[in-house]
Amino acid sequence: NAGVTQTPKFRILKIGQSMTLQCAQDMNHNYMYWYRQDPGMGLKLIYYSVGAGITDKGEVPNGYNVSRSTTEDFPLRLELAAPSQTSVYFCASTEGEWETEAFFGQGTRLTVV
Amino acid sequence: AQTVTQSQPEMSVQEAETVTLSCTYDTSENNYYLFWYKQPPSRQMILVIRQEAYKQQNATENRFSVNFQKAAKSFSLKISDSQLGDTAMYFCAFRNYGGSQGNLIFGKGTKLSVKP
Repeated sequence: NAGVTQTPKFRILKIGQSMTLQCAQDMNHNYMYWYRQDPGMGLKLIYYSVGAGITDKGEVPNGYNVSRSTTEDFPLRLELAAPSQTSVYFCASTEGEWETEAFFGQGTRLTVV
Repeated sequence: AQTVTQSQPEMSVQEAETVTLSCTYDTSENNYYLFWYKQPPSRQMILVIRQEAYKQQNATENRFSVNFQKAAKSFSLKISDSQLGDTAMYFCAFRNYGGSQGNLIFGKGTKLSVKP
């Protein structure tokens, strides 16, 4: 079981470029999340999804978009990258709203220069 | 809105000694979950221990235990017999009991260094 897989692990973007961070889970989890972790801070929720075809904004959604066409995949799209988006990005999943344990990917370190 | 506060940005402890990390939270809910996550330099988020708010008994996992004070909204983590591998960032997190969102709300973290 791979769990939650994020790609890439590292990326450097130039200001104004776009990219997609990939997230896939093989546990048939319904709930998936994208968080960002800024230096010296905890994780903040960007977007979440409670199932295929359903997504919603979290605390810090500006500058990002998501889609959830399948249960397994939850990509995060950055449009027009800005230095403020330099961060570590984590994808996570849980089986459902009542499940306590969240499974995390290993994170993507993104630098925008 | 729920908030989680960790008031100790950094702590250090000698190997084999005991250390306690503090966490307070704010919520108007009666049922919820609390967690401690460990983040070593590898960046992986590792669940250390969890506590259901409706349980009065404090959770324990081997060398890790919590002191859950619901009325005071306090949730501290005690690490006994500290080991070098315990060196990491530790995050306290809150999750509502059920509900449509189910996301975790994190504190800013405490950087723990275990010294030989």
